[in-house]
Amino acid sequence: DSGVTQTPKHLITATGQRVTLRCSPRSGDLSVYWYQQSLDQGLQFLIQYYNGEERAKGNILERFSAQQFPDLHSELNLSSLELGDSALYFCASSRGPSENEQYFGPGTRLTVT
Amino acid sequence: EDQVTQSPEALRLQEGESSSLNCSYTVSGLRGLFWYRQDPGKGPEFLFTLYSAGEEKEKERLKATLTKKESFLHITAPKPEDSATYLCAVQARKGAQKLVFGQGTRLTINP
Repeated sequence: DSGVTQTPKHLITATGQRVTLRCSPRSGDLSVYWYQQSLDQGLQFLIQYYNGEERAKGNILERFSAQQFPDLHSELNLSSLELGDSALYFCASSRGPSENEQYFGPGTRLTVT
Repeated sequence: EDQVTQSPEALRLQEGESSSLNCSYTVSGLRGLFWYRQDPGKGPEFLFTLYSAGEEKEKERLKATLTKKESFLHITAPKPEDSATYLCAVQARKGAQKLVFGQGTRLTINP
């Protein structure tokens, strides 16, 4: 158990809908990262937050957004969902902005029908 | 652009049969190279971080090594419970602290 929690575990929704994925980092960790894992693309970095501020952006679509709250939990919002957004979404956390070891949560499996 | 290539894609071994997994990388200044283990439907589990060429780290039956262009994950006398996908990732010294992952090696250990 990494100490990172994610909810929900599974999510099934229809095209065009909007969903919110939630992540709580390990106790004491200030950085949160979001990754997407699909069969053809592997694990892809989406976005990083550190202590409530956006720190880095990766291959995140404009339809996706995220935020980190004062209690350090983070939410990833996915809107206007398409079939191709079906994937596993992982959250990871680390101690500081440059801390190297990232610890991953169990993931949310999103299925768009 | 930072890139990671892992080989082989899949590897099937008998219990006790040692082998190595390869991770080749190109990165604009390496901050760290990471190995993770991932079981089906689960999140990646952190194994090792390597920072400089020549460095080695060990954990039970696993040993990770690093050169300037590649890393190896050596597995000695594996057991069926070592079956998993092993992921390699790099982090560049400059810019975002993101991890750039390879596609992974799917390892199966037969009893």
